[in-house]
Amino acid sequence: NAGVTQTPKFQVLKTGQSMTLQCAQDMNHNSMYWYRQDPGMGLRLIYYSASEGTTDKGEVPNGYNVSRLNKREFSLRLESAAPSQTSVYFCASQTGWYGYTFGSGTRLTVV
Amino acid sequence: DQQVKQNSPSLSVQEGRISILNCDYTNSMFDYFLWYKKYPAEGPTFLISISSIKDKNEDGRFTVFLNKSAKHLSLHIVPSQPGDSAVYFCAAGLMDSSYKLIFGSGTRLLVRP
Repeated sequence: NAGVTQTPKFQVLKTGQSMTLQCAQDMNHNSMYWYRQDPGMGLRLIYYSASEGTTDKGEVPNGYNVSRLNKREFSLRLESAAPSQTSVYFCASQTGWYGYTFGSGTRLTVV
Repeated sequence: DQQVKQNSPSLSVQEGRISILNCDYTNSMFDYFLWYKKYPAEGPTFLISISSIKDKNEDGRFTVFLNKSAKHLSLHIVPSQPGDSAVYFCAAGLMDSSYKLIFGSGTRLLVRP
């Protein structure tokens, strides 16, 4: 039982390149989320999906797009990466009312 | 404007003593509050939660206190152990259809042997 799986774990991009961060959960949860973690800023919500087929913007959506492919998978796409998007990205799915199960993160560096 | 604030970026305590981590929030509509613990190179893991209708919740060595009038919550760890050394995030949420959580900036706890 893997919980929430994120790929890749590490990535280095050049400015302007694009990439997709993958996330999958095997817990049959409806809601899924993408957060970024930056020093001194905590975890900030990028996008979320309350159910299959729906997505909504969070606090910091600019420069990102998302796809809720099915109930299991929620991907985050950077169309044209910028150095300001250097961060650690966490995917999560909702675990009852008391919060989330997080993946182990993707550490992204944009040079 | 940060809705959830953790004003202490770090805290150092001696093993066996009490650790107190604090969190303030601005939105009185939050329905529930949670604490997460994060080790390096791992995702945050759920630690303890409290509903807005309670003022205290206990789970072993961990206790969360909620003071709604002050919009303040705290996490007490007694006794502190070296394995508790991690970053602790508080989070707040609304019981609407999105179940979005708003996180604080985190407090790094170091428990000295």
